[in-house]
Amino acid sequence: RKEVEQDPGPFNVPEGATVAFNCTYSNSASQSFFWYRQDCRKEPKLLMSVYSSGNEDGRFTAQLNRASQYISLLIRDSKLSDSATYLCVVNPGSNYQLIWGAGTKLIIKP
Amino acid sequence: NAGVTQTPKFRILKIGQSMTLQCTQDMNHNYMYWYRQDPGMGLKLIYYSVGAGITDKGEVPNGYNVSRSTTEDFPLRLELAAPSQTSVYFCASSSQGGDTDTQYFGPGTRLTVL
Repeated sequence: RKEVEQDPGPFNVPEGATVAFNCTYSNSASQSFFWYRQDCRKEPKLLMSVYSSGNEDGRFTAQLNRASQYISLLIRDSKLSDSATYLCVVNPGSNYQLIWGAGTKLIIKP
Repeated sequence: NAGVTQTPKFRILKIGQSMTLQCTQDMNHNYMYWYRQDPGMGLKLIYYSVGAGITDKGEVPNGYNVSRSTTEDFPLRLELAAPSQTSVYFCASSSQGGDTDTQYFGPGTRLTVL
């Protein structure tokens, strides 16, 4: 089993729709969790950290389920500019070595 | 404020050649990282540094070397290029350890080894 697993997609979603995708992780001792966004042929950029209580940033909501070892990202009222690959990132407990998922590709269609 | 800069943007190497990928950050960050990203795969950590003069191996260090003589610069050296090193290389920096702070990435270097 991969340490961090994501559905590669692509998710093809009409503009204005709500879309959600999950990421599972194998190490139950994992400490912290993040979602990064990566545009085509660009560098990753932090979208949001994921807290135990869940957190929201505008149209984006992240949730953590430690019992089932997954994190989720919900995007409401999706925009064309949301088209990107979303990378799930997990700190398994070491100080500096983050574990990166392969990403979920999201395509928003007009 | 340029953030993290990387040179070159693209490079084609022949098997056995050597090269250095340059990385510079102007944010006075202590922590710097080198990753590689293969198609359809997550980023893999090659080497990291927690400050000038200190470097350590990541998950996939074989075939690479690094140095950190200043806070700003963290070059990655490929000594004997192999086709398996064809990848996109990202340099990143953060003000604190990778689990507690945002990592800022450079634009990447696309390397092809033929």
